[in-house]
Amino acid sequence: AQKITQTQPGMFVQEKEAVTLDCTYDTSDQSYGLFWYKQPSSGEMIFLIYQGSYDEQNATEGRYSLNFQKARKSANLVISASQLGDSAMYFCAMRERYGGSQGNLIFGKGTKLSVKP
Amino acid sequence: NAGVTQTPKFRVLKTGQSMTLLCAQDMNHEYMYWYRQDPGMGLRLIHYSVGEGTTAKGEVPDGYNVSRLKKQNFLLGLESAAPSQTSVYFCASRQPDASGPYNEQFFGPGTRLTVL
Repeated sequence: AQKITQTQPGMFVQEKEAVTLDCTYDTSDQSYGLFWYKQPSSGEMIFLIYQGSYDEQNATEGRYSLNFQKARKSANLVISASQLGDSAMYFCAMRERYGGSQGNLIFGKGTKLSVKP
Repeated sequence: NAGVTQTPKFRVLKTGQSMTLLCAQDMNHEYMYWYRQDPGMGLRLIHYSVGEGTTAKGEVPDGYNVSRLKKQNFLLGLESAAPSQTSVYFCASRQPDASGPYNEQFFGPGTRLTVL
């Protein structure tokens, strides 16, 4: 079973508008972390934001915020005021505290975001 | 600090050839990982290491071998390359968690490998 599900293979957003990228996860651990990475066309993986399972507040980093709904097991990324440079692949990932592979990151398949001028 | 570096950046192999991908990190991290990224698949773990001299299999280890003789280096070997190993390979490193599951995982720039 997929542990990280990103249901939107591709999305378009108008420049300066906000966009939400969906991520749902599956784990039986009580302690885990959720991450979002950006991968531009140049290929590098850029860490954007982190949310811990025990964090009561939603994480925010500049224009990025994470809409964490623990009961629904969702960790959606919200990008406010989209910019052309936001066009990229976005990956949701999870690390389980007691998962195998020494807390390896488990990735979703990604969402390709295209920002239109 | 260079962070995580990977050598080479690009490589084309013929089926049956062998090669080694080198990953180096200068952050004194204990944990290192090798992933492959295929279109529509996200990143999948090949092998990982929790310290010098240790390695373990990840999700897709077949056809690959690894070694961690020095803490800062993690080598990924393909003994007999196959077209199915055409992919982008990422190395990553991080420190073990002192408490809780957060420690940022740092990625290298990737190696694009094509096997003909």
